[in-house]
Amino acid sequence: DGGITQSPKYLFRKEGQNVTLSCEQNLNHDAMYWYRQDPGQGLRLIYYSQIVNDFQKGDIAEGYSVSREKKESFPLTVTSAQKNPTAFYLCASGGLGGADTQYFGPGTRLTVL
Amino acid sequence: GQNIDQPTEMTATEGAIVQINCTYQTSGFNGLFWYQQHAGEAPTFLSYNVLDGLEEKGRFSSFLSRSKGYSYLLLKELQMKDSASYLCASVDSNYQLIWGAGTKLIIKP
Repeated sequence: DGGITQSPKYLFRKEGQNVTLSCEQNLNHDAMYWYRQDPGQGLRLIYYSQIVNDFQKGDIAEGYSVSREKKESFPLTVTSAQKNPTAFYLCASGGLGGADTQYFGPGTRLTVL
Repeated sequence: GQNIDQPTEMTATEGAIVQINCTYQTSGFNGLFWYQQHAGEAPTFLSYNVLDGLEEKGRFSSFLSRSKGYSYLLLKELQMKDSASYLCASVDSNYQLIWGAGTKLIIKP
């Protein structure tokens, strides 16, 4: 089955530790995205990538880093520099055309203790 | 600035009809998406409108008025499984999605 997977579903980390969230897609999509979702707020774009080995900062990139070594994979690292990392993180993928639909993974809920 | 407004919460009765409104102000406009999101799950695509008018897909319809910066999602014959958040997102001039905070829809028997 084609789709987007994120792992793990729930993640707990101590303050000051870096943590990497996985995102894999087998939809052959060129574009991949990372969003953060907080209660009462819209999705906020962290990073996006339209091609392997290239990525762009979104609105709230500070304290996060990404890589795109393979078309299928777009991991997100939440670093200790992120001031308030506890949130629901969503990965999405889509085509490159204009307003192509984005398809989302199941999300990772990160709690920093 | 860019802004998307939608009601925080709505309540409706099973079998009824509900309309969820969304107003947008974005730099440029290249269409508007509606997504459904059940609690703790991924948003799933419902509709995309770029031209004025109503598009119908089964029990769900979406309307767009570009001149008014306004869209609505219409849900008919409501079912309990329709209890979810409904997210509105406008596509700006850079083809980035600007997301509303979502409308939590509660369906009562």
